Amino acid sequence: DGGITQSPKYLFRKEGQNVTLSCEQNLNHDAMYWYRQDPGQGLRLIYYSQIVNDFQKGDIAEGYSVSREKKESFPLTVTSAQKNPTAFYLCASNNRAHYGYTFGSGTRLTVV
Amino acid sequence: DQQVKQNSPSLSVQEGRISILNCDYTNSMFDYFLWYKKYPAEGPTFLISISSIKDKNEDGRFTVFLNKSAKHLSLHIVPSQPGDSAVYFCAASAYGSSNTGKLIFGQGTTLQVKP
Repeated sequence: DGGITQSPKYLFRKEGQNVTLSCEQNLNHDAMYWYRQDPGQGLRLIYYSQIVNDFQKGDIAEGYSVSREKKESFPLTVTSAQKNPTAFYLCASNNRAHYGYTFGSGTRLTVV
Repeated sequence: DQQVKQNSPSLSVQEGRISILNCDYTNSMFDYFLWYKKYPAEGPTFLISISSIKDKNEDGRFTVFLNKSAKHLSLHIVPSQPGDSAVYFCAASAYGSSNTGKLIFGQGTTLQVKP
């Protein structure tokens, strides 16, 4: 079945560590997105990519980095510069010719 | 600046009654609107959408109404069922102008349907 796979489902990070969240899709979608969900703040856009080897900052890109070396993959690195990384992270994709996203099941990141 | 706003953080209704979830937007360039449903620890799933050229779209128990002059849309669920209990996100896209397909989400409304 086609879809988006995010891994791991739960991730614990120590202060000062970088961690990478995986996002893989087999939908042949052109565009991929990373959102962060915090209570009462909805979904905020971190980074997005419309084509391979190209990506743009979203509204809250500070402390995050991404790469898009393959169409299927859009990993997100949460760096030590991100001051409040504890959140639920969602990856999504779509075909630019159509509206709406397909979302992954999310990764819960907790700083310990 | 919050371009898409859901001013009611929560809503509680009785099973069988109507649920009305509201959403306001500020950007007049938005030309497509969507509603997503989300359960805890899961990704959102698409529910229903509406283009700015329409004022109503219906899919089974779900109807979305768009009032462009008021920059307001609403989602009606009739009849409400306990399985509808979830967080509902309103989203908007200015696809025609930017061609990015990027969605702007509201803060979400938690719906509780009581048996």
